[in-house]
Amino acid sequence: DQQVKQNSPSLSVQEGRISILNCDYTNSMFDYFLWYKKYPAEGPTFLISISSIKDKNEDGRFTVFLNKSAKHLSLHIVPSQPGDSAVYFCAASLLSGSARQLTFGSGTQLTVLP
Amino acid sequence: NAGVTQTPKFQVLKTGQSMTLQCAQDMNHNSMYWYRQDPGMGLRLIYYSASEGTTDKGEVPNGYNVSRLNKREFSLRLESAAPSQTSVYFCASSPLQFYNSPLHFGNGTRLTVT
Repeated sequence: DQQVKQNSPSLSVQEGRISILNCDYTNSMFDYFLWYKKYPAEGPTFLISISSIKDKNEDGRFTVFLNKSAKHLSLHIVPSQPGDSAVYFCAASLLSGSARQLTFGSGTQLTVLP
Repeated sequence: NAGVTQTPKFQVLKTGQSMTLQCAQDMNHNSMYWYRQDPGMGLRLIYYSASEGTTDKGEVPNGYNVSRLNKREFSLRLESAAPSQTSVYFCASSPLQFYNSPLHFGNGTRLTVT
């Protein structure tokens, strides 16, 4: 049973518009959330994160929103650029014993059309 | 800066063959991880090493062994490869296992088992 779900395998957006990528989780023990971006033939790279004590974190064109009551987070990219075309993974972290465990969603392929 | 280096980039094995995937990081990170990525499944943790001298199982450890050779190197071994182990394997590292420091990933090893 997937604890972190990205229900949209793909998303297409016009250049300059907003991209919204969604992620849902089931485990209320997750206390930190991250977004990674992955280009073909490369490893994922860290994009932005948010602690469970916050509901918003912004970094340039990227904003992550967290709704704890709904167990939902979203990544907003404004404005979208063709170079943003990639697979985006959300991930959730919790402390298990003395170690942190990171659980990834299945990813959303974002295509930004010029 | 090299970051996290994985070798080989591609490998084809026959069922029953063995091989070792190599990973090295030059960032002086304490923690290292092995993930596999399968279509529709996101990244799943195979094994991790919180610090030099320790290793622990992740979500999908069956059929794999690991060795934390030193602080820089963390290898993943398939003793008897099976078609179900066809996947893309990513090695990652982070400064400390306890904190929410983002993972740094290598570019992956694409493994096909026939």
